[in-house]
Amino acid sequence: QVHLVQSGAEVKKAGASVKVSCKASGYTFTGYYMHWVRQAPGQGLEWMGWINPNSGGTHYAQKFQGWVTMTRDTSISTAYMELSRLRSDDTAVYYCARDLGYYDRTGYFTPSYYFDYWGQGTLVTVSS
Amino acid sequence: QSVLTQPPSVSGAPGQRVSISCTGSSSNIGAGYDVQWYQQLPGTAPKVLIYGNSNRPSGVPDRFSGSKSGTSASLAITGLQAEDEADYYCQSYDSSLSNVVFGGGTKLTVL
Repeated sequence: QVHLVQSGAEVKKAGASVKVSCKASGYTFTGYYMHWVRQAPGQGLEWMGWINPNSGGTHYAQKFQGWVTMTRDTSISTAYMELSRLRSDDTAVYYCARDLGYYDRTGYFTPSYYFDYWGQGTLVTVSS
Repeated sequence: QSVLTQPPSVSGAPGQRVSISCTGSSSNIGAGYDVQWYQQLPGTAPKVLIYGNSNRPSGVPDRFSGSKSGTSASLAITGLQAEDEADYYCQSYDSSLSNVVFGGGTKLTVL
């Protein structure tokens, strides 16, 4: 049974950093991409980027390049998302989401951009 | 402003059929990228209803169906039930942005 369990809620001051964890169980952690998506209060979903837990390779949405870092620790099947230089409009629920992935015609394992399992979400509140 | 456009709200009576549209462009849906649909109940994480334009994961009732044509996609829900009241999001990939893109979400109210 697949589970993605995220770390608890955080309250941070503007300008600080936050690191959210996402512990995977019930499947081979290195076999699936992991994405991060956030949702501001009362707003829609916003994609932040992905990490390939096998290689550690990452791809970030242009908006977040330079201030988000996605990492993983394969020994404990956990993915991390760190956001720096927090502002009040970074107040949101942050989700991790698993990506099934697929092998393209060149044999490269690539994201499918289909999120089949999601973590429960982590509320990050940024106060000024 | 979301890259994919959805109506902010739709409503229907129990037992009725509703449809939610998702309009994109030639760099996302029209470029052949798959569309997924997610249901988000209040206070919970999104859950996939449709993937690959029209496929249902196991466990999703066949009351939910998806379709895609040109630069648009739609989600249809038949036999509306009270528990279907939720927010619904479409999602695809945009090649010009190199980004996953979501619609702005549609709130479904069961009257």
